[in-house]
Amino acid sequence: DAMVIQNPRYQVTQFGKPVTLSCSQTLNHNVMYWYQQKSSQAPKLLFHYYDKDFNNEADTPDNFQSRRPNTSFCFLDIRSPGLGDAAMYLCATSRYGGEEQYFGPGTRLTVT
Amino acid sequence: SQQGEEDPQALSIQEGENATMNCSYKTSINNLQWYRQNSGRGLVHLILIRSNEREKHSGRLRVTLDTSKKSSSLLITASRAADTASYFCATEPNFGNEKLTFGTGTRLTIIP
Repeated sequence: DAMVIQNPRYQVTQFGKPVTLSCSQTLNHNVMYWYQQKSSQAPKLLFHYYDKDFNNEADTPDNFQSRRPNTSFCFLDIRSPGLGDAAMYLCATSRYGGEEQYFGPGTRLTVT
Repeated sequence: SQQGEEDPQALSIQEGENATMNCSYKTSINNLQWYRQNSGRGLVHLILIRSNEREKHSGRLRVTLDTSKKSSSLLITASRAADTASYFCATEPNFGNEKLTFGTGTRLTIIP
């Protein structure tokens, strides 16, 4: 029973072509997170939502945007992907934040 | 950077042996968590230890926490090939900002 679902699992986009990654959850958790993870590195937090309150990390590029239209869904938009944006993108949820996070399987983004 | 560090970066042991990995962090915390990540997949929560706890067990996992040294260790006993993965520690700061700070990770390889 998948609890955090990410689509697609693999995404190939062209340099500069906008792309949207999606995440959905069946846990009814308040907090949703987007992380970027590059090879052999720790996940890097891009932003998170506590309910509808959006929290951006100071070093997240403006090229990255997010939407959370309802409790279950959250989207990551990359407006003009560069080669340096190729990475695994992980979505996670938490009931109240700071506690256990539940991760989706990730979306592997390739930029050509 | 607030990122924690893990030691060693990589560890290879024979199946059946015990594996120990260490995590150091910089700020005062509410809790420390350990996650496992299989190659190309999302992270899976293993165990959470609160700042007022010194040791916690879950199956073959034993976690210790020394807040005076700002360090934690994860012991996996009687290792199995399926334990091959990357292991990350993550901390929630004591000012509770809904976010976790992940360590750099330890890549564990179990040799059959």
